[in-house]
Amino acid sequence: NAGVMQNPRHLVRRRGQEARLRCSPMKGHSHVYWYRQLPEEGLKFMVYLQKENIIDESGMPKERFSAEFPKEGPSILRIQQVVRGDSAAYFCASYAGGGLRTEAFFGQGTRLTVV
Amino acid sequence: AQSVTQPDIHITVSEGASLELRCNYSYGATPYLFWYVQSPGQGLQLLLKYFSGDTLVQGIKGFEAEFKRSQSSFNLRKPSVHWSDAAEYFCAVGAMGGADGLTFGKGTHLIIQP
Repeated sequence: NAGVMQNPRHLVRRRGQEARLRCSPMKGHSHVYWYRQLPEEGLKFMVYLQKENIIDESGMPKERFSAEFPKEGPSILRIQQVVRGDSAAYFCASYAGGGLRTEAFFGQGTRLTVV
Repeated sequence: AQSVTQPDIHITVSEGASLELRCNYSYGATPYLFWYVQSPGQGLQLLLKYFSGDTLVQGIKGFEAEFKRSQSSFNLRKPSVHWSDAAEYFCAVGAMGGADGLTFGKGTHLIIQP
């Protein structure tokens, strides 16, 4: 959905560098999920954030990965010291909250390539 | 733990023919079920969703899906496919606001033959 903005769309990093992926949710949405899609795979849950809080990070690797959703500005997924296995498409989904029967809207993703 | 199985990795269908994509799920409570479509290099677009009520749900682009609790299935159907339907289709279970969000299947790649 055009309302959820992810940037950059494509990111190339050398092994050992840091990757920063940004997600601006739809206006009025305060909940963000990050997913990773490996080639030939479905989307795997990584982390669920509300403004200034990490609600569930059980899908995120313990090392090198971190996420934040500050009071102002986009949500950031940070990958430190990237390795080839981090190459994937990373999607964020935002929703307004207020109950479980709420549709989420996905961004177009950031495709990370580690060389 | 919730899970989704899409048993067909690739499906080839002739343009104008009918389509059914299979989805089986495992979920501890009343499932919320979704079908998404992803075109190459794009994000996910919601086709339809099931929360409760009528087990046959209508979506966009002429798609429909039927929830069958006894079979733990939520198969996607379309009576007549168009070349523009060629894409990757993902079934998902869960709910936003819940832990883990949505759990996705591995996807079915739909190829349309002229």
